[in-house]
Amino acid sequence: KAGVTQTPRYLIKTRGQQVTLSCSPISGHRSVSWYQQTPGQGLQFLFEYFSETQRNKGNFPGRFSGRQFSNSRSEMNVSTLELGDSALYLCASSLGRELADTQYFGPGTRLTVL
Amino acid sequence: AQKITQTQPGMFVQEKEAVTLDCTYDTSDQSYGLFWYKQPSSGEMIFLIYQGSYDEQNATEGRYSLNFQKARKSANLVISASQLGDSAMYFCAMRGSVFSRGGKLIFGQGTELSVKP
Repeated sequence: KAGVTQTPRYLIKTRGQQVTLSCSPISGHRSVSWYQQTPGQGLQFLFEYFSETQRNKGNFPGRFSGRQFSNSRSEMNVSTLELGDSALYLCASSLGRELADTQYFGPGTRLTVL
Repeated sequence: AQKITQTQPGMFVQEKEAVTLDCTYDTSDQSYGLFWYKQPSSGEMIFLIYQGSYDEQNATEGRYSLNFQKARKSANLVISASQLGDSAMYFCAMRGSVFSRGGKLIFGQGTELSVKP
């Protein structure tokens, strides 16, 4: 079974621009979660989508948004980029129904904001 | 609020020896799950092991076992017979009930494990 894929793997943007990251979950998984990883703040939860609906949201400004399509693929958008948005963005997919449903992570998108 | 604490920023272990990585947690949920992930330098998070709050037995997966002490709110990862390929960052994570918290995982700060030949 194919794993979670994320595109692109690397991105370089300048302040003020916007960016869209894509995540394709494991086949059959309906939940996609996004996380931001930085050296200073560690791993922080951004949001989760389940069956095209946002089910949970972390403490990030409204510049961070996402959506999920009917095939469970998800996109994350960051508008008006700031230097502090430089990070590794990880998405994870799971069945999303039970506590024990494991989240499987993609390789991440490394975003650099100049 | 939910919180995960990993007090060991870095650890060294000799190849073939066992090592324990500490994790304590705090939650008001009655039902919760605890996960351990490994992150090599490549960046990808690799799932290692899961323990549910109502599981009576400690979880085991190959060389990984989880020492779960519910009363002390600890979920330490034990790696037996360390290998050079075990060198990586290790994260402890927690999730509350899917009904109330969805899929949100709370992560600790991680422990960097270095295995010496």
